[in-house]
Amino acid sequence: DTEVTQTPKHLVMGMTNKKSLKCEQHMGHRAMYWYKQKAKKPPELMFVYSYEKLSINESVPSRFSPECPNSSLLNLHLHALQPEDSALYLCASSQVWGGDTGELFFGEGSRLTVL
Amino acid sequence: LAKTTQPISMDSYEGQEVNITCSHNNIATNDYITWYQQFPSQGPRFIIQGYKTKVTNEVASLFIPADRKSSTLSLPRVSLSDTAVYYCLVGGEDSSYKLIFGSGTRLLVRP
Repeated sequence: DTEVTQTPKHLVMGMTNKKSLKCEQHMGHRAMYWYKQKAKKPPELMFVYSYEKLSINESVPSRFSPECPNSSLLNLHLHALQPEDSALYLCASSQVWGGDTGELFFGEGSRLTVL
Repeated sequence: LAKTTQPISMDSYEGQEVNITCSHNNIATNDYITWYQQFPSQGPRFIIQGYKTKVTNEVASLFIPADRKSSTLSLPRVSLSDTAVYYCLVGGEDSSYKLIFGSGTRLLVRP
């Protein structure tokens, strides 16, 4: 199983809503990532978790709150978002982070629309 | 962080070899070079990774000169399904292992 599964595939939310994006992998990877991608732009790194601990936060606004409950799951909690936060949110995993990070396996993404 | 520069777009025809070059003038000693492919509304997919000289796998080759200030992704005999965006990433210890995507090259393969 070389899949990273993201749910939901599409999400529409209002600026006062609270929602969550979920990501799951069963490859035994110990590093997981959130990227944000706007249309026709490259993915932007948001967070990196290594062994369930937050290792990188790329100065992401607090309205985005990541959580790594165990080595297979990664959540992104969303609250009080702005319309400009509408984007494709990509989750990725790798065997480890740092040193020889190697290949990142990406999910298909969750397309978020904030009204 | 090592900044990467790629051509914005390239055109090719089916069956041709395509070479996409990435410049990374301030690459650090321990940085490695990775290429990803992305189709619309999908996550990026790993193509190849290298540190120096030449790396080849079943889909591509990666050429890295001795000074490592650039790298070239070579796609042999492209098909229509190779139409995608190709990203060059440079990262390692000196960049805190942050894998930052460059602006990417949009490759269009014509029949």
